[in-house]
Amino acid sequence: AQTIHQWPVAEIKAVGSPLSLGCTIKGKSSPNLYWYWQATGGTLQQLFYSITVGQVESVVQLNLSASRPKDDQFILSTEKLLLSHSGFYLCAWSLELSQNTLYFGAGTRLSVL
Amino acid sequence: QQQVRQSPQSLTVWEGETAILNCSYEDSTFNYFPWYQQFPGEGPALLISIRSVSDKKEDGRFTIFFNKREKKLSLHITDSQPGDSATYFCAASEPYQRFGTGTKLQVVP
Repeated sequence: AQTIHQWPVAEIKAVGSPLSLGCTIKGKSSPNLYWYWQATGGTLQQLFYSITVGQVESVVQLNLSASRPKDDQFILSTEKLLLSHSGFYLCAWSLELSQNTLYFGAGTRLSVL
Repeated sequence: QQQVRQSPQSLTVWEGETAILNCSYEDSTFNYFPWYQQFPGEGPALLISIRSVSDKKEDGRFTIFFNKREKKLSLHITDSQPGDSATYFCAASEPYQRFGTGTKLQVVP
């Protein structure tokens, strides 16, 4: 069975500080990977997607970057956090890029102060 | 621009009633419509989905009705249970998924 693990579970960070969030998928080779951001009580906004190692596509510009250093790992990062980065970050995987079911991780709650 | 809209924003029903959640979209190229259920503090999970070639999809107490001409869908939850209390997201896909604004459902015992 496939499992998706996100870390950390929660972060409290200062404005201007760096950030790194991680996601690991086990039990599925070469998955399509995604990062989503969700404001409290809000909808889900796709940030990045990746179909293979080393290849990441940006969907929206939020002063964030993503990398896929391994087939089963997806990293979201920034060098300088903004207040607007606060929210719930969700990693997801799918079998196909289109007409796909997304399987989400448990998320990381980020508070920027 | 919100390409997938949901209504109502929140909905309260009594246990045993049918909850109806609505969704509409703008882009006629969308052809896959999953509904996700999200509990507080958790990631969304697929509840039920439909492809645009169908007009109805049923799975237990959950049914999607799809009207391609009007670009509208609805999720019907029959015999609602308190455990169904969650936020429901309609999404539309092609090539990547766009999520609606969500409907927060509360089922009162």
